[in-house]
Amino acid sequence: DAGVTQSPTHLIKTRGQHVTLRCSPISGHKSVSWYQQVLGQGPQFIFQYYEKEERGRGNFPDRFSARQFPNYSSELNVNALLLGDSALYLCASSLYRRGGNYEQYFGPGTRLTVT
Amino acid sequence: AQTVTQSQPEMSVQEAETVTLSCTYDTSENNYYLFWYKQPPSRQMILVIRQEAYKQQNATENRFSVNFQKAAKSFSLKISDSQLGDTAMYFCAFMKAGTPLVFGKGTRLSVIA
Repeated sequence: DAGVTQSPTHLIKTRGQHVTLRCSPISGHKSVSWYQQVLGQGPQFIFQYYEKEERGRGNFPDRFSARQFPNYSSELNVNALLLGDSALYLCASSLYRRGGNYEQYFGPGTRLTVT
Repeated sequence: AQTVTQSQPEMSVQEAETVTLSCTYDTSENNYYLFWYKQPPSRQMILVIRQEAYKQQNATENRFSVNFQKAAKSFSLKISDSQLGDTAMYFCAFMKAGTPLVFGKGTRLSVIA
């Protein structure tokens, strides 16, 4: 079975531009979460989606947005890119059991560099 | 808010030896989950082991085991018979049901031949 997939692998953007990152969860998983991992740090939560609805949002500005599609894949959008947005963006999928998602399985990430 | 602290930024161990990575957390919750994730240089985050707070028995997965001390809010990872492939960043993570993962800053483990 395929794991979590993310595209693109690497991305270089200029300040002020917009970027869209994509994620496909493990088959059967209905929840997708996005994390930002700055070099040398642990991942920080950005968004969680389940059944196309936002179920949680981390402490990130409104320039960050996301959505989930009927096939449970997801997009993370970042507008007006800043140098500080340079990071590894991780997508994780889970089954979202009753009472909250349980084990999360991560994709390989998208390395975003803003120049 | 929950916090996770990993006090060892870097560690090294000889191949075939045993190493223990430390993790402490702060929470007022009684029911929660704890995880150790491994992130090799190739960067894919891999789940190593999980522990449910309501279970007193420490989790074990092959060469990986945890020492879960709920009262002390401590969750250490022991790697036995270390292998070169264990070289990676290791992240301790906390999750309360219905909330996202909260990660520590990680411990960089180097296994030396």
